[in-house]
Amino acid sequence: GDSVTQMEGPVTLSEEAFLTINCTYTATGYPSLFWYVQYPGEGLQLLLKATKADDKGSNKGFEATYRKETTSFHLEKGSVQVSDSAVYFCALRTGTGGFKTIFGAGTRLFVKA
Amino acid sequence: SAVISQKPSRDICQRGTSLTIQCQVDSQVTMMFWYRQQPGQSLTLIATANQGSEATYESGFVIDKFPISRPNLTFSTLTVSNMSPEDSSIYLCSVEEQGYEQYFGPGTRLTVT
Repeated sequence: GDSVTQMEGPVTLSEEAFLTINCTYTATGYPSLFWYVQYPGEGLQLLLKATKADDKGSNKGFEATYRKETTSFHLEKGSVQVSDSAVYFCALRTGTGGFKTIFGAGTRLFVKA
Repeated sequence: SAVISQKPSRDICQRGTSLTIQCQVDSQVTMMFWYRQQPGQSLTLIATANQGSEATYESGFVIDKFPISRPNLTFSTLTVSNMSPEDSSIYLCSVEEQGYEQYFGPGTRLTVT
């Protein structure tokens, strides 16, 4: 069945460091891919998305590129801030096998000042 | 994007009792979802609730334990029945909009004693 695998956390970085959170997926068909973020004490919110191969989603300085050949959707940010500390979830949505979104396990990011 | 509210935001309940969680959306949506999120964990889909049809439950979740109502396109309820401490969790409702983006409510934090 469809699945999403994320790198385990927590990830601890200093402010202004470069961030990569790896995400790979297994899916039949052509899924849409998402990153959601959950800040401390808040609900999940959509960060960015990509709907087809080679699309790049971007928001708030974060980027992720839909790589069909490597079935990956890694999240990157060139310079993290303390306010980026949160849990990041990679997710996929296909139109087959039930109309639902599948979430990865989540990766907790701590950014130190 | 849809704005979603949930009630109650938190509750402490005794084992053997039931709690009904309400989810209200500010616009009409076709697909609503109910998730459970244990602290520090990913989301587990309980069921998909479409207006005018029976909810579709995921493996491991049954209607007798988690009855769901979906009386119209802006409202749904999830009941957690005959609760035990293992039901302590955060319960989230979400809606899916065009482009498969999901928008989440703030969650209901349930503690069963």
